[in-house]
Amino acid sequence: GAGVSQTPSNKVTEKGKYVELRCDPISGHTALYWYRQSLGQGPEFLIYFQGTGAADDSGLPNDRFFAVRPEGSVSTLKIQRTERGDSAVYLCASSLTAGGGEQFFGPGTRLTVL
Amino acid sequence: DQQVKQNSPSLSVQEGRISILNCDYTNSMFDYFLWYKKYPAEGPTFLISISSIKDKNEDGRFTVFLNKSAKHLSLHIVPSQPGDSAVYFCAASGGAWGAQKLVFGQGTRLTINP
Repeated sequence: GAGVSQTPSNKVTEKGKYVELRCDPISGHTALYWYRQSLGQGPEFLIYFQGTGAADDSGLPNDRFFAVRPEGSVSTLKIQRTERGDSAVYLCASSLTAGGGEQFFGPGTRLTVL
Repeated sequence: DQQVKQNSPSLSVQEGRISILNCDYTNSMFDYFLWYKKYPAEGPTFLISISSIKDKNEDGRFTVFLNKSAKHLSLHIVPSQPGDSAVYFCAASGGAWGAQKLVFGQGTRLTINP
């Protein structure tokens, strides 16, 4: 069975550009989460989806960040006008339900903003 | 403010001995705690969890202890094996923070020496 997959694995972009990061959750998992991990830190919550809707986006740092999950499966994290401070590993996770418990993580996308 | 803290950035243990990783939290509303293990270039992998209604949970070589009065949890690995070398994160959820969002510590890098 496939785990959570994320593409691309690495993304290098220039300051001011727009990027999209994709997450394919485990099949049948209704809850999907995005986290961001900076160097030397633990993952930090950004947003989570229950089905198609963003149930909690309180972790998004500002309005340059946006995420969608239009069909309740694949999700895309979108970052506009990237800044050097956005450089981090972006992790996606999924779980069977949103009732708490174990979340299964993907390998992450390493974003570097030059 | 760091609600979940792992004060030891690194730990080195001899193969076959016990590894003890520690984690402190400040939010008394957290009611579910997890340990994740992370290898380089991979996402965090779930190891073991504990609910706040228990003070111990054991799974093979891994045991998690929870001391609610001290707001402290620890992960014991015995006997330690070379494959246990990784970064270990503790995480918490629950209360007003929500069951879905995990709050992670900064991680402890465990090295098992042969």
